[in-house]
Amino acid sequence: GENVEQHPSTLSVQEGDSAVIKCTYSDSASNYFPWYKQELGKRPQLIIDIRSNVGEKKDQRIAVTLNKTAKHFSLHITETQPEDSAVYFCAAGVNDYKLSFGAGTTVTVRA
Amino acid sequence: GAVVSQHPSWVICKSGTSVKIECRSLDFQATTMFWYRQFPKQSLMLMATSNEGSKATYEQGVEKDKFLINHASLTLSTLTVTSAHPEDSSFYICSARDGGTTNYEQYFGPGTRLTVT
Repeated sequence: GENVEQHPSTLSVQEGDSAVIKCTYSDSASNYFPWYKQELGKRPQLIIDIRSNVGEKKDQRIAVTLNKTAKHFSLHITETQPEDSAVYFCAAGVNDYKLSFGAGTTVTVRA
Repeated sequence: GAVVSQHPSWVICKSGTSVKIECRSLDFQATTMFWYRQFPKQSLMLMATSNEGSKATYEQGVEKDKFLINHASLTLSTLTVTSAHPEDSSFYICSARDGGTTNYEQYFGPGTRLTVT
C-alpha cells in the first residue's frame, strides 16, 4: 500500500517568515495530494490540493509543489501569522479512492 | 455547501458496552464515506471505506466484527464500536466524497471523542 512520510515533525518559525513541509510517497499510481490543517480537537480542513497533472499550485500565501519523478511534494506557507499555528498533514491517494496520511507537522509561529 | 456532521460529538461509555456513531452528509450525496481513528498527537489512520449499499472494506488490522459499519443510504453511514474497551478510546472522524462531482476532495466531519471507562 501507499506509504507517506512527512518532515519535519515540528517546525517553529518567526512571524513573517516562511514555513516548508515536505512529504514523500511510495505509490507511483497516486495522483491526488491534499494538505490539511488541523487545530486541536477539530476536524482536518483542506487548505490546498494538487493533482499529478500539475507541478505547482498557489492560493494566496499557500503553495504546493509536486515532483512526480522523485515522488515528493511540499507545502510552502509565506508570511506566516500566529493563526497559522496548527498541525498540518499531507496525504496521497489514487483518484477518489482512500487517502494515506503523513504523520503530521506541528507548526508554531512565534510572534 | 459540502457539510458533514457527526453525532455524538463526544461519548463516555463503560467497558463492554457498544457505541454507535453517525456520519451524515447534509447537502450532498455521498456514495463513499471513510472512517478514521486518531489517537492523541498522531495522524489519521483509515479504518474502513464505506460504500452505499455494499459491505465496507476494512484496512488491515481493523477487526470488522468489532467495528461494524453500515452505509444504508447516500447520506448516512454509521460506525458501531462493539464491546468497547479502554484501548478503543480515541477520536473517530468520518469523511465523505460528493458522488456528484469529479472533485476528489473528502469532506470531514467534526469528529467524535470516545472515552471508554
